[in-house]
Amino acid sequence: KQEVTQIPAALSVPEGENLVLNCSFTDSAIYNLQWFRQDPGKGLTSLLLIQSSQREQTSGRLNASLDKSSGRSTLYIAASQPGDSATYLCAVSKGNTPLVFGKGTRLSVIA
Amino acid sequence: NAGVTQTPKFRILKIGQSMTLQCTQDMNHNYMYWYRQDPGMGLKLIYYSVGAGITDKGEVPNGYNVSRSTTEDFPLRLELAAPSQTSVYFCASSYEGNTEAFFGQGTRLTVV
Repeated sequence: KQEVTQIPAALSVPEGENLVLNCSFTDSAIYNLQWFRQDPGKGLTSLLLIQSSQREQTSGRLNASLDKSSGRSTLYIAASQPGDSATYLCAVSKGNTPLVFGKGTRLSVIA
Repeated sequence: NAGVTQTPKFRILKIGQSMTLQCTQDMNHNYMYWYRQDPGMGLKLIYYSVGAGITDKGEVPNGYNVSRSTTEDFPLRLELAAPSQTSVYFCASSYEGNTEAFFGQGTRLTVV
């Protein structure tokens, strides 16, 4: 059974800092990995999708990397802003099976 | 762009009551999903569908039922509400299983 772990569970950083969120998964035979953002009381917003054949994806200040062999992904946020404060979730899919989620990292960026 | 729309946004049920959570998507996606999110527990899959007329159980299906009569709609039915079903429910869709998933805004359900 696929298990997804996100470390740390919570993170607080000063504005302007670069930061890394970690995601690990137990079954490396995945088809894709997706990073989401969730604001309090809201739904999930897709940030980045990395297919298994890719090593990284970039969108603005966000960069996600994928190392299938080690079962790890990182989400790098450059020059963090208070508006980046949210919970970040990673999820993996194997074949056409539904996404399996980690519990998320709650990020607070302090002005 | 409507995307994935869930109704209602909030609901309070009494134990033993039934209700249907509605979900519709306008992106012509084949795959649709229902997840529940409990505090500190991440999202857990309840049911999913790979196309009209096809549904399958997820990790936590007990106490729920689904149907998929059209590509657009994927309602979730609670027959006998229990306090353990107090949660936030999210509907999602994707074109295929390995493509980007899009989520609705959620339904916050309280069973008292």
